[in-house]
Amino acid sequence: DAGVIQSPRHEVTEMGQEVTLRCKPISGHDYLFWYRQTMMRGLELLIYFNNNVPIDDSGMPEDRFSAKMPNASFSTLKIQPSEPRDSAVYFCASSVAHSGGETDTQYFGPGTRLTVL
Amino acid sequence: RKEVEQDPGPFNVPEGATVAFNCTYSNSASQSFFWYRQDCRKEPKLLMSVYSSGNEDGRFTAQLNRASQYISLLIRDSKLSDSATYLCVVNGRGQAGTALIFGKGTTLSVSS
Repeated sequence: DAGVIQSPRHEVTEMGQEVTLRCKPISGHDYLFWYRQTMMRGLELLIYFNNNVPIDDSGMPEDRFSAKMPNASFSTLKIQPSEPRDSAVYFCASSVAHSGGETDTQYFGPGTRLTVL
Repeated sequence: RKEVEQDPGPFNVPEGATVAFNCTYSNSASQSFFWYRQDCRKEPKLLMSVYSSGNEDGRFTAQLNRASQYISLLIRDSKLSDSATYLCVVNGRGQAGTALIFGKGTTLSVSS
């Protein structure tokens, strides 16, 4: 079974450019999470979806960030315009709730290492 | 107070040593607790869930103290392959099926 798939694995761009990160969750998982990890701030939740619907986007740093999930097998995180402080590793994770609704294990993709020059 | 706090380390121990990591969390309504492991330049992966009664998985033992809002991870007979960052994780809002809050992690280095 394929795990969470993310692309690209590495992205180097210049300040002001648009960046789009892509994620394919594990088939059958109904939760999808976007995280950002830096040395200073650790792993931060940006936004998460349940059944393709955004549930909580309070972690999105500002309007330059947007995320979509048009269907159960695909999500994007877009940064426009990008800034050097956006440089980080961006992880996508997916999970499925237990029948009782308890939070289940989150499976992470390999991450996208973004560098904004 | 940070939502999940951990000693960043690093903990440098020899093979065979026993090492313990601690973690505190601020949300008393949290219901789910985990330890994740993250290798250098890799994604986090679940190590084990933490249950109120405490639980063991081979050389790893996790304990939860709800009254003190404290979680621990004990690793016995450390192996070189245990070198990694260990992330303490709690359910963020005390509700099932919602987001997890990650600590910044504790780095362990096991040497021969």
